Amino acid sequence: NAGVMQNPRHLVRRRGQEARLRCSPVKGHSHVYWYRQLPEEGLKFMVYLQKENIIDESGMPKERFSAEFPKEGPSILRIQQVVRGDSAAYFCASSPRSGDYGYTFGSGTRLTVV
Amino acid sequence: LAKTTQPISMDSYEGQEVNITCSHNNIATNDYITWYQQFPSQGPRFIIQGYKTKVTNEVASLFIPADRKSSTLSLPRVSLSDTAVYYCLVGRSSSNTGKLIFGQGTTLQVKP
Repeated sequence: NAGVMQNPRHLVRRRGQEARLRCSPVKGHSHVYWYRQLPEEGLKFMVYLQKENIIDESGMPKERFSAEFPKEGPSILRIQQVVRGDSAAYFCASSPRSGDYGYTFGSGTRLTVV
Repeated sequence: LAKTTQPISMDSYEGQEVNITCSHNNIATNDYITWYQQFPSQGPRFIIQGYKTKVTNEVASLFIPADRKSSTLSLPRVSLSDTAVYYCLVGRSSSNTGKLIFGQGTTLQVKP
């Protein structure tokens, strides 16, 4: 009964490269949320997805960031042309229902941009 | 979502009971109160959720007074491994917005 699986656990990218972060939700959960935690800061909401649909992307930066949750496979958070300010821990969470606050979070992907 | 206020940090010793209070003066009728725990380098973990009075599980208890403008997370007999950040969140469980809004949280330091 695996929880939310995120990979890679650690990711190092040079400035200008692309970063792809993957999230497999708890089996049976169709709602996925991405959060970002900058060093010494709190968790910030980025995007909420259901299967094949973006429900709320109000926390996503307007440029370079995109997210998807295809019918088959994991959810992907993609950051194009990374900059040093993108260095952070990115957490994915899933839930079985919309608005169910008992989210299950993954262990996160720590992105370092050098 | 209702704004929450909780202490930035707390210290305790092993074996003591720890109570972390969260203020949420603007809580709405349909809002639930949810607490999460986050260890360093890990994602948050759901601890407990309640609407009114008292809720207890194997990890903690949640006390909510009648006016629901505050809530208290109670951790019985803490150990060093309870050192973590504790977040109080308030929102409608039936909401379809989906997103949790995390505040600063309370950093609990348990000392030997």
